[in-house]
Amino acid sequence: NAGVMQNPRHLVRRRGQEARLRCSPMKGHSHVYWYRQLPEEGLKFMVYLQKENIIDESGMPKERFSAEFPKEGPSILRIQQVVRGDSAAYFCASSPGTEAKNIQYFGAGTRLSVL
Amino acid sequence: DQQVKQNSPSLSVQEGRISILNCDYTNSMFDYFLWYKKYPAEGPTFLISISSIKDKNEDGRFTVFLNKSAKHLSLHIVPSQPGDSAVYFCAASGTGTASKLTFGTGTRLQVTL
Repeated sequence: NAGVMQNPRHLVRRRGQEARLRCSPMKGHSHVYWYRQLPEEGLKFMVYLQKENIIDESGMPKERFSAEFPKEGPSILRIQQVVRGDSAAYFCASSPGTEAKNIQYFGAGTRLSVL
Repeated sequence: DQQVKQNSPSLSVQEGRISILNCDYTNSMFDYFLWYKKYPAEGPTFLISISSIKDKNEDGRFTVFLNKSAKHLSLHIVPSQPGDSAVYFCAASGTGTASKLTFGTGTRLQVTL
């Protein structure tokens, strides 16, 4: 009964490179959320996806960031041309989406460091 | 615009005593509230939640109270244990079975021996 799986756990990139963060939701969950946490801050919502659809991307920067959740495989958060300000912990969460309660279960996160 | 606020960045409580963590919100469209616990280098772990139609929910040592008129909720942990030492985040979501969570900035709880 695996939980939400994120990889890699740590990612180091130089400025201008691309970062790809992967997230496999809990079994039976079809809703995926991405959040970002800067040091000493709370988690900030970025994007909410269901299979093959972006439902809400209101928290995601318009440029350089994109997300997908294909029919097969994990959800991917992609950051192009990374800058130092992208250094943060990125958390993925999943939920079944069918219950009255919206309890989201989180992965361990990917810590991105931009040199 | 911080819609969910946790005004105490840290709290220290003696083992066996009650820990009370507070959270205020400003958006009256929030109707579901959750508390998460987070250890360093790990993801948040769900603790307990409450719907806006209730004013109290209890699960073992954890109780959440909701005061809708004051837009305030609190998490009570009793008795506090050293393993409870972590950062606690309050989160809120709006109407619908699946929508984004808005988090507070967290309160670091230290339970001392």
